[in-house]
Amino acid sequence: DAGVIQSPRHEVTEMGQEVTLRCKPISGHNSLFWYRQTMMRGLELLIYFNNNVPIDDSGMPEDRFSAKMPNASFSTLKIQPSEPRDSAVYFCASSFSGRKAQPQHFGDGTRLSIL
Amino acid sequence: EDKVVQSPLSLVVHEGDTVTLNCSYEVTNFRSLLWYKQEKKAPTFLFMLTSSGIEKKSGRLSSILDKKELFSILNITATQTGDSAIYLCAVEPSLGGGSEKLVFGKGTKLTVNP
Repeated sequence: DAGVIQSPRHEVTEMGQEVTLRCKPISGHNSLFWYRQTMMRGLELLIYFNNNVPIDDSGMPEDRFSAKMPNASFSTLKIQPSEPRDSAVYFCASSFSGRKAQPQHFGDGTRLSIL
Repeated sequence: EDKVVQSPLSLVVHEGDTVTLNCSYEVTNFRSLLWYKQEKKAPTFLFMLTSSGIEKKSGRLSSILDKKELFSILNITATQTGDSAIYLCAVEPSLGGGSEKLVFGKGTKLTVNP
């Protein structure tokens, strides 16, 4: 079974450039989550969607960050313009949202370096 | 503010030892507590606990939840070098009926030496 698929695996770019991270959730899952992981702050939720609708974006650092989910099988996280402090590993996770609690499953992440 | 605190932050043991990892939490409305293992890449799911006192077990790993005292433990018996990883504890707040965001602890870095 295919898990959560993220691309690219690594991204190195100069500050000021636009960065787009992509995620394909597990088929059948209806909730999608974007996390950022750093040594200092650990894993932090940025935004999550339920049935393609953004539910909570309170973790998005600032207006330079935006996320979309145009359909049930694809989501993007965009940073424009990027800054060195955005360097981190970005994870996408998905789960099935229902009455019974279900675990989130994570992709392998995108390691982002902003020079 | 919802909070998850894990201890110890790091732990070094020898193969064959038994370890106990701790997770305490504060959350407005509790739905579940999850344990993940993170090696080089994605956190991989280990256990989800929703009820107090019921032990979840998978091979040499087991976990239990105490909702009165607001903590959980993850036990690993007869540790192996392959158990070396960061173990993450997360709490899912809300009783809304749908998936909600996870609040993660900083993790416990376990190193198992041969």
